[in-house]
Amino acid sequence: QKEVEQNSGPLSVPEGAIASLNCTYSDRGSQSFFWYRQYSGKSPELIMSIYSNGDKEDGRFTAQLNKASQYVSLLIRDSQPSDSATYLCAVANFNKFYFGSGTKLNVKP
Amino acid sequence: GAVVSQHPSWVICKSGTSVKIECRSLDFQATTMFWYRQFPKQSLMLMATSNEGSKATYEQGVEKDKFLINHASLTLSTLTVTSAHPEDSSFYICSARPSGRHEQFFGPGTRLTVL
Repeated sequence: QKEVEQNSGPLSVPEGAIASLNCTYSDRGSQSFFWYRQYSGKSPELIMSIYSNGDKEDGRFTAQLNKASQYVSLLIRDSQPSDSATYLCAVANFNKFYFGSGTKLNVKP
Repeated sequence: GAVVSQHPSWVICKSGTSVKIECRSLDFQATTMFWYRQFPKQSLMLMATSNEGSKATYEQGVEKDKFLINHASLTLSTLTVTSAHPEDSSFYICSARPSGRHEQFFGPGTRLTVL
């Protein structure tokens, strides 16, 4: 079992729609949770971090964490073609840091 | 804030030569830096974790004698690919974790092509 699981996609949404990206993790002791965006041929860029249960909003992005279900999600409102990228979920526990394999998002104009 | 640089951004070398890649945290101190490799259309693969002043911890299957890592200061880590071969051609990305924080911030990556 992988430490962090993500659906590889691609997830296709029309421009202006809400994109919902999901991630599950196996280590119940995980403390910190992150979403990175990686454009093709580029390195990952941190877009959200969340540490406690509930929602955290930043602009068009909302991260949701449910530790009981070991589930993290990222919602992107008013999706734009420029949001088309691979989204990596990452989970950290002390010095261990695990990435999911990423979900590819395509936003169609 | 939290800017990480890598140099060079791309390099082409002949088989059998060594290549050094530098990773610098520009506006923060990083006790821990990470080195990843990514092949086209594949996931990030962690190669090693380096802590300032101590030996790097390599992931299973990564040859420590081939991929030499030096984390000499709180702002600089280097990866040297020794005796590079065409199969080492890849996108090498470093990341740094600011002291006292959990996030990793990535450098822009180095594209290595071995002829």
